[in-house]
Amino acid sequence: AQSVSQHNHHVILSEAASLELGCNYSYGGTVNLFWYVQYPGQHLQLLLKYFSGDPLVKGIKGFEAEFIKSKFSFNLRKPSVQWSDTAEYFCAVEGSSNTGKLIFGQGTTLQVKP
Amino acid sequence: NAGVTQTPKFQVLKTGQSMTLQCAQDMNHNSMYWYRQDPGMGLRLIYYSASEGTTDKGEVPNGYNVSRLNKREFSLRLESAAPSQTSVYFCASMERYGNQPQHFGDGTRLSIL
Repeated sequence: AQSVSQHNHHVILSEAASLELGCNYSYGGTVNLFWYVQYPGQHLQLLLKYFSGDPLVKGIKGFEAEFIKSKFSFNLRKPSVQWSDTAEYFCAVEGSSNTGKLIFGQGTTLQVKP
Repeated sequence: NAGVTQTPKFQVLKTGQSMTLQCAQDMNHNSMYWYRQDPGMGLRLIYYSASEGTTDKGEVPNGYNVSRLNKREFSLRLESAAPSQTSVYFCASMERYGNQPQHFGDGTRLSIL
């Protein structure tokens, strides 16, 4: 069965620190990959997505992620976090069934201290 | 443009009561989804509707039923609520073709006593 694992459950950083959140998935076929963000009390919003092509994808608010097929990974990065990045971050994988079914990771709570 | 609208936003039920959560999207998307979000478990797919007229089970369908009323609306029903169904429920929609992401509603926070 497909699964998604996010290694960090709770991350605390100071403003201007660099961020990297790990995401690994298990699925043998072609995948679409996503990172979503959920700010406190809000719905999920798309940060970035990978469907094909350049494995380094850039999203909104200065976030980027790198797809490494050999490692089944799709880690999220940001060079310098801000207090407003405090949120929960979810990695998600869609297999090749074309149904849009997403498998989500457990989520990582990021707390940025001013 | 409202996107995905869920009603109600909050609800408290007693064990054994029934309830329907409503979801509507105005983006003319083909596919719609119901998830539940529980602490430490991310989002888990309950049911989905790949296109109007079809519904399929997701990862955690037990205790739920769905209806794809038309292209816009996709409802989730709890026939006999149980405390284990206390959760935050999210509806999402997506244009099925062309590698598009899902768009989420604001969620329904449901407590079952």
